[in-house]
Amino acid sequence: EAQVTQNPRYLITVTGKKLTVTCSQNMNHEYMSWYRQDPGLGLRQIYYSMNVEVTDKGDVPEGYKVSRKEKRNFPLILESPSPNQTSLYFCASGPWEGPYEQYFGPGTRLTVT
Amino acid sequence: TQLLEQSPQFLSIQEGENLTVYCNSSSVFSSLQWYRQEPGEGPVLLVTVVTGGEVKKLKRLTFQFGDARKDSSLHITAAQPGDTGLYLCASLRGTYKYIFGTGTRLKVLA
Repeated sequence: EAQVTQNPRYLITVTGKKLTVTCSQNMNHEYMSWYRQDPGLGLRQIYYSMNVEVTDKGDVPEGYKVSRKEKRNFPLILESPSPNQTSLYFCASGPWEGPYEQYFGPGTRLTVT
Repeated sequence: TQLLEQSPQFLSIQEGENLTVYCNSSSVFSSLQWYRQEPGEGPVLLVTVVTGGEVKKLKRLTFQFGDARKDSSLHITAAQPGDTGLYLCASLRGTYKYIFGTGTRLKVLA
């Protein structure tokens, strides 16, 4: 089954404790991206990757890191999480050709206390 | 800065009614996607429109792309409780970045 998977689905952590949210896709997509979704603010892009070893900042990259060492994986790293990073996070992937559609994972709900 | 404005923000209707939601921008879209998101889940792609004036149908859902490619609408005929969810429009902004509208939250009452 073609899908985007994320782990963990739920995470409660404390301020400053480094964490990684994994994202994997089995559709051989070139493009992958991370979003956060907050009430009243909608979905905002954090980082994206056009292919292996090629990443760039989205609209809200502060406090996050990413890497793309393999085509299928695109982990999101929070080196020192803070309470304002409490949010619902989504990973997405898509083929880098028109019409540039994206397919989303199930989400990771992160709470930072 | 390109923005995607969706209206209405909230919509509560009875089963069997028709409804239309809108997505507008001051800029021209290269293409536009519509997604539906249910609570606790990721957005699911419904359709992509590319050509100005294009109309696409997905069962009871009709999607229209404005002639100038600055606006789009989603019309649902005879809404059912299973249509309940958050409807999002999205577009590619620039070369690699995506932008999403803030969504229309639809509730269909049985």
